[in-house]
Amino acid sequence: NAGVTQTPKFQVLKTGQSMTLQCAQDMNHNSMYWYRQDPGMGLRLIYYSASEGTTDKGEVPNGYNVSRLNKREFSLRLESAAPSQTSVYFCASSEAQVTSLAKNIQYFGAGTRLSVL
Amino acid sequence: KNEVEQSPQNLTAQEGEFITINCSYSVGISALHWLQQHPGGGIVSLFMLSSGKKKHGRLIATINIQEKHSSLHITASHPRDSAVYICAVKNFGNEKLTFGTGTRLTIIP
Repeated sequence: NAGVTQTPKFQVLKTGQSMTLQCAQDMNHNSMYWYRQDPGMGLRLIYYSASEGTTDKGEVPNGYNVSRLNKREFSLRLESAAPSQTSVYFCASSEAQVTSLAKNIQYFGAGTRLSVL
Repeated sequence: KNEVEQSPQNLTAQEGEFITINCSYSVGISALHWLQQHPGGGIVSLFMLSSGKKKHGRLIATINIQEKHSSLHITASHPRDSAVYICAVKNFGNEKLTFGTGTRLTIIP
């Protein structure tokens, strides 16, 4: 059981280049999330998807787009990378049922370390 | 927006010591999540609780809803407990989490 799988693990981009971070989960979870983690700051939500076909902005969506391709996959795209997007990116998923505390636990991927030069 | 504060930011202790990490938040919540981030970067869930106390092995999490405060305790600490411990709160009415900045714990043999 792989859980949440993110690719790639590391990436270096030049300013203006584009790339897509891939995320897939095999736990049949409804909700998926993209976060970024920067030194001295808590994890911040970029975008999330409550179900297949829906996406919503989080706290820091500017410069990113997402796509919930199906229930398993949720990708994050940087159209024109900027040095301010240098960060560690985490994908997470949860079953997200309001009635069950345990089903709101988020499971995280291993992270993608992105540097934009 | 819910403000989440953790203390201390950094904690160094000797192996075997009892460890306490604190988390305070500003607005009422539906649940609180404790997570552990390993030195390699991976993040795992430890507890999710909405009241009282939960225990798993040497880890104990408590929450006081009235005081808007939670603590994570580690008994008989071990070097393998060295990690960043992150508190996150789930606000009423949505599934989003607001995260604290983490407490970096180092256990010296």
